[in-house]
Amino acid sequence: EAGVAQSPRYKIIEKRQSVAFWCNPISGHATLYWYQQILGQGPKLLIQFQNNGVVDDSQLPKDRFSAERLKGVDSTLKIQPAKLEDSAVYLCASSLESAGGYTFGSGTRLTVV
Amino acid sequence: DAKTTQPPSMDCAEGRAANLPCNHSTISGNEYVYWYRQIHSQGPQYIIHGLKNNETNEMASLIITEDRKSSTLILPHATLRDTAVYYCIVRVVGNQFYFGTGTSLTVIP
Repeated sequence: EAGVAQSPRYKIIEKRQSVAFWCNPISGHATLYWYQQILGQGPKLLIQFQNNGVVDDSQLPKDRFSAERLKGVDSTLKIQPAKLEDSAVYLCASSLESAGGYTFGSGTRLTVV
Repeated sequence: DAKTTQPPSMDCAEGRAANLPCNHSTISGNEYVYWYRQIHSQGPQYIIHGLKNNETNEMASLIITEDRKSSTLILPHATLRDTAVYYCIVRVVGNQFYFGTGTSLTVIP
């Protein structure tokens, strides 16, 4: 089966600019997650979707981060405006229903200068 | 917050078994233990999971203590390609995974 697709693979922006990341989960996976991984740390959960509804966004910095999952398939994560501390790898993962292991994408490496 | 603690780093000789420990003393009765690994510049990759019985698959074995407060991931014959960061994770209600900092395993030729 095809894996979790993410794009772009790399992105460099200046602080205060906006950026968007795209994720296409494995076909049929109802649950989708966005994680932020800062260099040297483990991934940190930002938001969890079940189909097109938000299950948990308690760790999402809502003043600058937003995410949506229209039609319960693809998802986008946006940062506006970006700060230097947002430099990280943004990982998307999906799973069948709300149980079981995740499959992760390769991530988008964001550098804010 | 992560419910697990792991040593920050370990070395293992190529061809030998790699035994990676994990403490999860606050685990609840219905929470599973999952192991993932992350090779540089890639997303985390699933290895194995278990509830209370020992588990084995083509990649590794998972040994969970009877009180479920700790577990050990065993890579039976480590290769250079097993060099990675290994994460032990307790899956909490809602199927959310909270990663710690993991164990950086270096396989030495």
